[in-house]
This record gives sequence, structure tokens and C-alpha cells, in this order.
Amino acid sequence: GNSVTQMEGPVTLSEEAFLTINCTYTATGYPSLFWYVQYPGEGLQLLLKATKADDKGSNKGFEATYRKETTSFHLEKGSVQVSDSAVYFCALKERGGSEKLVFGKGTKLTVNP
Amino acid sequence: DGGITQSPKYLFRKEGQNVTLSCEQNLNHDAMYWYRQDPGQGLRLIYYSQIVNDFQKGDIAEGYSVSREKKESFPLTVTSAQKNPTAFYLCASSAGRDSYEQYFGPGTRLTVT
Repeated sequence: GNSVTQMEGPVTLSEEAFLTINCTYTATGYPSLFWYVQYPGEGLQLLLKATKADDKGSNKGFEATYRKETTSFHLEKGSVQVSDSAVYFCALKERGGSEKLVFGKGTKLTVNP
Repeated sequence: DGGITQSPKYLFRKEGQNVTLSCEQNLNHDAMYWYRQDPGQGLRLIYYSQIVNDFQKGDIAEGYSVSREKKESFPLTVTSAQKNPTAFYLCASSAGRDSYEQYFGPGTRLTVT
């Protein structure tokens, strides 16, 4: 079945550091890929998405590129802020069929001033 | 102000009692979902509904039940048959087939003692 594997946390960085959170996936066909963010005590918000190979999703300084050859969708940000502290989830959606999202286990990021 | 509401934010119940979690959306979305979130396990799909009066089991449906009598509402009942009901429950909705984004509610934290 489809699955998503993302790097285990927690990740702790200083403000203005470079962030990478690795995400790889296993899927039949060509899924759409997503990064969601969850701030403490809240639901999830879509951060960015990519729907086909080589697409780059970007939002709020975060980027991720859909790499079909390595089945990866790593999240990056050049300079993190304290306000980026949250849990980040990588997810995929099967193309066609049901609308189910398959999530990774989440990576908790803490950014210190 | 469109969105998804879940109530209450915190819910406490005694073991052996059924409890119903509310989820309402005013986004005119066709599809709705229930996820369970446990520490270190990401989100797991309990039930989903792609249209009124129809729903399907997700990956961990045992011990849960749902109904979808109205487009706006998708209540989840946690029954006494659910062995480990204490968790954070998230409701989501999407426009339906081929839509990319799921919108999440703020969640309900259920504690059963």
C-alpha cells in the first residue's frame, strides 16, 4: 500500500538556520504530495503541494520539489524563524479513486531565538 | 467566515460510555473525514464520506461509527468497543473528487478514564 516516511524528530534549530525535513514515499502510480503544518493545539494547515514530477511547491519561504526518481519531497527553508516552530507532516494523495490522504508520522520543529 | 468547527475542544468521559464528537463545515464541501492523532503516530483515517448518506471505513474504523445525513455535518461516535479512545480527533473536509486540499478543524481532545 501507499506510505510516507519522514525523518524522525524532534529537530531543534537556532533562528536563521537552514531547515531540511526529509520525506520519501511509496505509491502506486503518481500521487499528489503535500506538506501540512500543525501549530500547538490546532488542526493542520496546508503549507504547500505538488501534483506532478518536478513540480516545486512553495509558501512562506518553504519549498519542496517532487522528485519521482528518488520518490522524495523534502521540505526546505533557508532561514527559519521562531514562529516556524510546529509539527510538519508530509502526505500523499492517490490520483483518482478515493480522496484519502496518507500521512507521515510528523516532525516536530523547535526554533530557538 | 467559512471553516470547520469541532466541539467541544476538550471532552472527558468514563470508560464504557459512548461519546459523539461534532464536526460542522460551511464550506459547501462534498467530502468529509475523521482522523485520529496519537503522539508519534501521525494521523490515521477513521472514516470518510464523499457524499451525503454515504461513508466508508478508513484504516482504523473499529470501535467508531459515523453518519452523514446532512452535507454540513459528519459526527463521529466513539463507542465503548474502542479499546484506546483517548486521543486527539481531527475532522477535515474537501471539495471532493480531484480537489487537492483538505481543510482541517481545530480538533477535539478526548480523554477517557
